[in-house]
Amino acid sequence: GENVEQHPSTLSVQEGDSAVIKCTYSDSASNYFPWYKQELGKGPQLIIDIRSNVGEKKDQRIAVTLNKTAKHFSLHITETQPEDSAVYFCAAPNRGGTSYGKLTFGQGTILTVHP
Amino acid sequence: DAGVIQSPRHEVTEMGQEVTLRCKPISGHDYLFWYRQTMMRGLELLIYFNNNVPIDDSGMPEDRFSAKMPNASFSTLKIQPSEPRDSAVYFCASSLRRDRATNEKLFFGSGTQLSVL
Repeated sequence: GENVEQHPSTLSVQEGDSAVIKCTYSDSASNYFPWYKQELGKGPQLIIDIRSNVGEKKDQRIAVTLNKTAKHFSLHITETQPEDSAVYFCAAPNRGGTSYGKLTFGQGTILTVHP
Repeated sequence: DAGVIQSPRHEVTEMGQEVTLRCKPISGHDYLFWYRQTMMRGLELLIYFNNNVPIDDSGMPEDRFSAKMPNASFSTLKIQPSEPRDSAVYFCASSLRRDRATNEKLFFGSGTQLSVL
C-alpha cells in the first residue's frame, strides 16, 4: 500500500507570512493528491487537489506543487491569516492509481498563524 | 444540502457495551466511507460502500467492528463489544462518481467522538 510522510508536524508563522507543508509518497502509480484542512471539532475539508498530469495548481492564496520524479508534493499558503490556523493533511490513493475516496493520509501539520 | 450528517457527536460508554454510530451521506452520493482518527495512527480508512454494497472492509480492525448500509441515505458502524482502544473520532464521508474527477472529492461529516471507559 501507499506510505505518505508529512513535514513539519507543527508550523508557526506570523500573519502575512507564507507557509509551506511538504509530503512524500511511495507508490509511483499514485496520480491524485488532495490536501485537507481540519478545524477543531470538525471533519477534514478538501481545500485543493492536484493530478499527476500537472505540476502546479493555484486557488487564490493556496497552491500545490507536485514533483512526480521525486515523489513529493507541497502545499503553499501565501499571506497567511489567523483563520488559516488548523491541521492540514496531505493524502494519496492508498493503493496507487486513482483513489475514488480510498486515501492514505499524512500525519498532519498543525499550522498556527499569529496575529 | 446539509452535508454529511453523523450522530451522535459524542458517545461515552463502558467497556463491553455495544456502540452504534450513524451516518447520513449527501443526497445523491453513491460512495460512502468510514474513517477513524487517532493520535497514534492518524486517519485510517475502515470500510467503504458503493451503491450501498460493501466493497472493501480490509481496514476494519477486528470482527468486533461491523458496518451496514441498508439504503442510500443511511449507514451504521457498530462495535460489539467495545474496548478502551476503540476510543477515537469516527468520520463518515461520501462522494459522487459523476466522473473520475468528481468522485475523487470526499465530503466528511463532523465525526463522532467515542470514548470507551
